[in-house]
Amino acid sequence: DTGVSQNPRHKITKRGQNVTFRCDPISEHNRLYWYRQTLGQGPEFLTYFQNEAQLEKSRLLSDRFSAERPKGSFSTLEIQRTEQGDSAMYLCATAAGGELFGPGTRLTVL
Amino acid sequence: QQQVKQSPQSLIVQKGGISIINCAYENTAFDYFPWYQQFPGKGPALLIAIRPDVSEKKEGRFTISFNKSAKQFSLHIMDSQPGDSATYFCAASRWSNTGKLIFGQGTTLQVKP
Repeated sequence: DTGVSQNPRHKITKRGQNVTFRCDPISEHNRLYWYRQTLGQGPEFLTYFQNEAQLEKSRLLSDRFSAERPKGSFSTLEIQRTEQGDSAMYLCATAAGGELFGPGTRLTVL
Repeated sequence: QQQVKQSPQSLIVQKGGISIINCAYENTAFDYFPWYQQFPGKGPALLIAIRPDVSEKKEGRFTISFNKSAKQFSLHIMDSQPGDSATYFCAASRWSNTGKLIFGQGTTLQVKP
C-alpha cells in the first residue's frame, strides 16, 4: 500500500460508454498526476494538478478526457464516448520528495 | 527531444549475478533521474533516484551510475535475486516538477534460481 488508492481497480465497458476513475492521495501531497500505461510500455503523462488547479495537460488528453480535483484532495478522470484505443492502465501519482504511484485502474473497452 | 531510450528490452540473469539496464536521454534540461520497479498488476514503485551533481548513488544492492556528458545513466542490481524479477523503468524529469516524468520503454528482468 503506497498511500495512494485508486478505484475501481478494473473496469470493463462497451465502446461509446462513459467511465470515471477516482484517485485518493495522501492528503498532504499537493501535486497529483495522471498517467496512462499501455501493455509493454512505460507510463505516459496525461495531466497534473497543484492543489485544485489543473496546470498542464498532455496532447494525449483528447477532448473526451476530463480531470478534476475539487478542493485539492481526491481527483477524478472521466473518459467520454470510450474507444477501444482507450484500453490501458490509468495511474495516479503524487509527488513529495519521491513519487508515489497508486495501483492503477485497468480499463478494457470492448 | 523528450525521449528516454532504455535497453535492453529484456534481460535474463542467474541468481547472484549483476543486472545492468541502460538509459539515454536527450533533453539537457532534465535534472532528476529515477528508476522504478513494477510488478504485474501493480503501479510503479520508486527504487532509487539520482541528480546530475553526482556520478553514482548506491542504495543496498541497487546502484545508479550517471554520465552527464554522454547523457546516459544506468541501473546496476548486484547479487540479483528471483524476487527482483519485474519490469524496470528509467525516467527523467525536471527537479522543479519531479512528478512529470518521461519514462523509458521498460526492461523485463528475469532472475533464474
